[in-house]
Amino acid sequence: NAGVTQTPKFRVLKTGQSMTLLCAQDMNHEYMYWYRQDPGMGLRLIHYSVGEGTTAKGEVPDGYNVSRLKKQNFLLGLESAAPSQTSVYFCASSYFRDTQYFGPGTRLTVL
Amino acid sequence: DQQVKQNSPSLSVQEGRISILNCDYTNSMFDYFLWYKKYPAEGPTFLISISSIKDKNEDGRFTVFLNKSAKHLSLHIVPSQPGDSAVYFCAANAGGTSYGKLTFGQGTILTVHP
Repeated sequence: NAGVTQTPKFRVLKTGQSMTLLCAQDMNHEYMYWYRQDPGMGLRLIHYSVGEGTTAKGEVPDGYNVSRLKKQNFLLGLESAAPSQTSVYFCASSYFRDTQYFGPGTRLTVL
Repeated sequence: DQQVKQNSPSLSVQEGRISILNCDYTNSMFDYFLWYKKYPAEGPTFLISISSIKDKNEDGRFTVFLNKSAKHLSLHIVPSQPGDSAVYFCAANAGGTSYGKLTFGQGTILTVHP
């Protein structure tokens, strides 16, 4: 039982490049979330999903897209990376409105 | 618009003493509150929660107090241990159609000295 895993752990991009962050959970949770953490800002919700095939915008969705084709996976995409997207990204999952379990994070630097 | 605020960026406490971490919120729709603990290079881990129908919840050394009229909650750790040194985030959920979405505070860095 791995819980929530995130791939990759670290990534450096140049401005304008694209990438996809993968989140996988093996707890059969319905809800999944992507957050970003910036110094002095806490964690802010980017997008979330309440079930396979569904996605919705969170607090800071601009510049990101997501997909939930399988219940256990939640992908976060950056189509054209910008330096403002330099951050630590956390994925979380929960059984409906229950406690959220977080992955270890992906540290992204955009030059 | 910061709906959940942790006004103390850091707190330093001696081992064995009490640690008190504070959190204020502005959204009266919040009805469920949580504390998460985060070590460097790891994801946040759930610590303790409280529903708005309660004013106190205990779990071992950790107690969370909720004052709805003041829109304030606090986390008490007694006794504090060096292994408690971490960043603590409070978070809130508005229920209803919020689908479990959490609004986080900025975090407080707790350092427990041996």
